[in-house]
Amino acid sequence: SQKIEQNSEALNIQEGKTATLTCNYTNYSPAYLQWYRQDPGRGPVFLLLIRENEKEKRKERLKVTFDTTLKQSLFHITASQPADSATYLCASAFGSNDYKLSFGAGTTVTVRA
Amino acid sequence: DVKVTQSSRYLVKRTGEKVFLECVQDMDHENMFWYRQDPGLGLRLIYFSYDVKMKEKGDIPEGYSVSREKKERFSLILESASTNQTSMYLCASLAGNTIYFGEGSWLTVV
Repeated sequence: SQKIEQNSEALNIQEGKTATLTCNYTNYSPAYLQWYRQDPGRGPVFLLLIRENEKEKRKERLKVTFDTTLKQSLFHITASQPADSATYLCASAFGSNDYKLSFGAGTTVTVRA
Repeated sequence: DVKVTQSSRYLVKRTGEKVFLECVQDMDHENMFWYRQDPGLGLRLIYFSYDVKMKEKGDIPEGYSVSREKKERFSLILESASTNQTSMYLCASLAGNTIYFGEGSWLTVV
């Protein structure tokens, strides 16, 4: 069955550096991948969606890539700030039910001032 | 802004109790979802509904049921709560390809 896998290890970085998170999927490529941010005790919030035919997508200091050869999406936070500290989730839909999202376990990012 | 509201933020229930978790969305979305989130396991889909009175099982439906009598409201029911159902429950609704989540309901079953 299809799986979304994220490196569940926490990522600790210094303010101003770039954080890079990895999302891998198994088997066939989904039509798109999504990234969400989740703060402690809160529901996830949508950040970005990247489609299969898009190599890269940007939103302010966020950048997402989609590599169908590697079966991987990378999520970058550039010029990181302590306010970026959160858990970031990767998600996608597989098969004919394109609204039935599967989520990775998330990667927790801590940005040190 | 889309708003998904979960009625209870924190609940403590006893084993064997019937538990209702309520969720309301204000954007007339057809698709609504219930997930549970556990450390290390991520979000897992329990049930979803694609229209009033229509429902479909997700990945972990055992021990749960749902009700969608009105478009804006989607309820999750634990018929007989068990300690392994202690978790954070997240309701969500779908607009296009984007899922909008509620703030979550923390359920502890003792």
